[in-house]
Amino acid sequence: SQQGEEDPQALSIQEGENATMNCSYKTSINNLQWYRQNSGRGLVHLILIRSNEREKHSGRLRVTLDTSKKSSSLLITASRAADTASYFCATDASRNTGFQKLVFGTGTRLLVSP
Amino acid sequence: SAVISQKPSRDICQRGTSLTIQCQVDSQVTMMFWYRQQPGQSLTLIATANQGSEATYESGFVIDKFPISRPNLTFSTLTVSNMSPEDSSIYLCSVVTGASQETQYFGPGTRLLVL
Repeated sequence: SQQGEEDPQALSIQEGENATMNCSYKTSINNLQWYRQNSGRGLVHLILIRSNEREKHSGRLRVTLDTSKKSSSLLITASRAADTASYFCATDASRNTGFQKLVFGTGTRLLVSP
Repeated sequence: SAVISQKPSRDICQRGTSLTIQCQVDSQVTMMFWYRQQPGQSLTLIATANQGSEATYESGFVIDKFPISRPNLTFSTLTVSNMSPEDSSIYLCSVVTGASQETQYFGPGTRLLVL
């Protein structure tokens, strides 16, 4: 399977703590994107990091990318109960110009308790 | 970003019937995608539907089971044909938009239960 792996599968923390999720993938990529999904609803795009980038920030989110290890991490700082959701990484490894194919990881279920 | 709507948001269907899911985008996009998310699982790409060409299906998915239409740059439909309980899933459409054509945005999904 080309599907990426995420760990942990589930993470339970208290409000105010930081949450770190990891994603590993198998092939060279153009970019890696992180998404959030609340209760089986649609996916919300969080952040995109390109293969030539090592770190990006967006608000309380910090994403790192290590292409030598084929891995990425998503850090959510000062978590809130509203951050409770499933988080997915997705890699774009398409080789054709004007074409994209995302391969999703297995997901991490995050529970933030008040 | 893009605003994407899907109809229906959910449905309960009998086995052997078919359901057509609509996806509407608020801007013109070249690339549209259809995904399936089985209960408790991650997303799997069904097909890519670029306007002006036939849909490209991923391994394990065939046009007879999941016919797709892409009549213009803002709309697409996915039909789930001859349904069985194994087709119970969330079906999501997505689009690629933006200047760099890298970011993929998703619709709210259609939750399908087949009895």
